[in-house]
Amino acid sequence: GDSVTQMEGPVTLSEEAFLTINCTYTATGYPSLFWYVQYPGEGLQLLLKATKADDKGSNKGFEATYRKETTSFHLEKGSVQVSDSAVYFCALGGGADGLTFGKGTHLIIQP
Amino acid sequence: DTAVSQTPKYLVTQMGNDKSIKCEQNLGHDTMYWYKQDSKKFLKIMFSYNNKELIINETVPNRFSPKSPDKAHLNLHINSLELGDSAVYFCASSQDVADYEQYFGPGTRLTVT
Repeated sequence: GDSVTQMEGPVTLSEEAFLTINCTYTATGYPSLFWYVQYPGEGLQLLLKATKADDKGSNKGFEATYRKETTSFHLEKGSVQVSDSAVYFCALGGGADGLTFGKGTHLIIQP
Repeated sequence: DTAVSQTPKYLVTQMGNDKSIKCEQNLGHDTMYWYKQDSKKFLKIMFSYNNKELIINETVPNRFSPKSPDKAHLNLHINSLELGDSAVYFCASSQDVADYEQYFGPGTRLTVT
């Protein structure tokens, strides 16, 4: 079945550091790929998405490129802020079960 | 206006009780979902309804029963609550079953003592 693997956290960075959170997937067909963010005490919010190979999703300084050859959708940001501290979920959509989520990566940004 | 709302936000109850969580979306979406998030933040889909009809029913104890009175509402009723039911429950919606972009509610933190 479909699955998503993302790096375990917590990931701790200093403010203005470069961020990469790795995400790889296994799926049949051509899924859509998503990054969701969950701030403390809140529900999940869609951060960005890509619907086909080589698409780049971007939002709030975050980017991720749909790489079919490596089955990856890594999340990047050039300069993180304290306000980016949250849990980040990679997800794929395309199977019979709707969205399949990774286990989440807790990001902590220190001032 | 809140797009997807859930009530209550917090629910503390004793083992063996029956409780309900309500969810409403004002986005005009056809499809709604219930997810369970455990203490390690792992998210697992429980149910999905499209236009009031059940389309996804994962391996969930039959103590959990979803009810959709109309396509804007999807409630979750839980019978005979157990300690292991303690989690955060999220409702979500999407335009239709083919649209994987989902909008989530704020969550209901259920604590069973």
